[in-house]
This record gives sequence, structure tokens and C-alpha cells, in this order.
Amino acid sequence: EAGVTQSPTHLIKTRGQQATLRCSPISGHTSVYWYQQALGLGLQFLLWYDEGEERNRGNFPPRFSGRQFPNYSSELNVNALELEDSALYLCASSLYGDQKPQYFGDGTRLSIL
Amino acid sequence: TQLLEQSPQFLSIQEGENLTVYCNSSSVFSSLQWYRQEPGEGPVLLVTVVTGGEVKKLKRLTFQFGDARKDSSLHITAAQPGDTGLYLCAGNRNQGGKLIFGQGTELSVKP
Repeated sequence: EAGVTQSPTHLIKTRGQQATLRCSPISGHTSVYWYQQALGLGLQFLLWYDEGEERNRGNFPPRFSGRQFPNYSSELNVNALELEDSALYLCASSLYGDQKPQYFGDGTRLSIL
Repeated sequence: TQLLEQSPQFLSIQEGENLTVYCNSSSVFSSLQWYRQEPGEGPVLLVTVVTGGEVKKLKRLTFQFGDARKDSSLHITAAQPGDTGLYLCAGNRNQGGKLIFGQGTELSVKP
């Protein structure tokens, strides 16, 4: 069974540009989560989507947004990129429910020049 | 302020040694997960503990959830080079899907 898949693996952008990251969850999972893993800061919760709706968001500015499609895949969009947005962006999926185990993909490495 | 404190941050040991990693908090968690992450990859779920005092074993790895559900430990017996990686604890406080992660423990097991 395929795990969580993310694309692209690496993404290089310059300040002020916009980035789009994609995630396909494990088959049967309806919840998708996004986390940022920045050097020295650990994993920080960004967003939770389920059934096409944003269920919760972490302490990040509005230029971090996303959506979930009818097939449960998801996009994370980051507008007006700043240098400190350089990080590994991880997507996780789970069955619906606040207590369900989350399974991670291998991430997208976003580098801002 | 880090809600989940992991210790030690770095651990370098010889093959065959035992080790324990700690994950502590002043807050109660409804569940706690342990993950291992290798360079260039995402975290891989090792175990989920939900009941205070619960002990789970995964081959040479033993996980324990504190009685008050505020802390957890991971004990590895007879460590092997394949155990090398970043170990992360992550707690759930029923805050809308959000997992709260510790800073991680970087383990290096030398042959």
C-alpha cells in the first residue's frame, strides 16, 4: 500500500514568490495535516484539513494557506515567500478523528534564496 | 517555552549498549506518539500510547506512558547501528488534529 506522497521533493524560490506544495494521503485516509520542520525549531503544526474543510490552523500568518480536494489530496500554498520560510514541509494523513495516528510523507524541502 | 521537553538532545553510544530517551511535560496528553526520522525522510510512526502507565514493546524498543500522562520514555536494549536516527515524541491534547512535538533526540550508534 502506498504511503503519503509529496511533491516536489525540492523547491527553490526567491523572496516574494509563491510556492505550491502537494500531498496525496494514504488510501482511505480523509484527514491531511501540514507541518513545518525548520532548523532549530522542530516540527510545528500548520494546518488540518478533512472532508475538504480547514479544521484547524497553527500559529502561522495568513500567507500560509491550503485546500483539500474531493479525492482528499491537498495543496499548501505559501505566498510572499520570506527567507525564514526555508524549511522541510511535511504532510501527514490519518483516518478522521482527533486521536488517530498520523503518518508522514518524506516532505518537500523549500529553499528561499 | 517548549511544551514537550526531550532529553538528551544528542546521544552517541557503542553497539550493544542500552539507552533511554525521555519526553517530559507539565501538561496532560490524551495520547503520545514516538517517531523515528532519518535524514531526507519523513518521521516514521513507531508507537502510540494512550493509557496512563501503558507499556508497549516493539522488538528491542520499550515505550512507557507515565501514570499521569504527562511524560513518556523510550528504552532501547542492545542498540544497533540501524537504530541511528532522530527520535521524536509527539503529544496530542485534543487541540484539533495538532500534534505537539519535542525537539528530538539525535541518536548515533557506532559499530
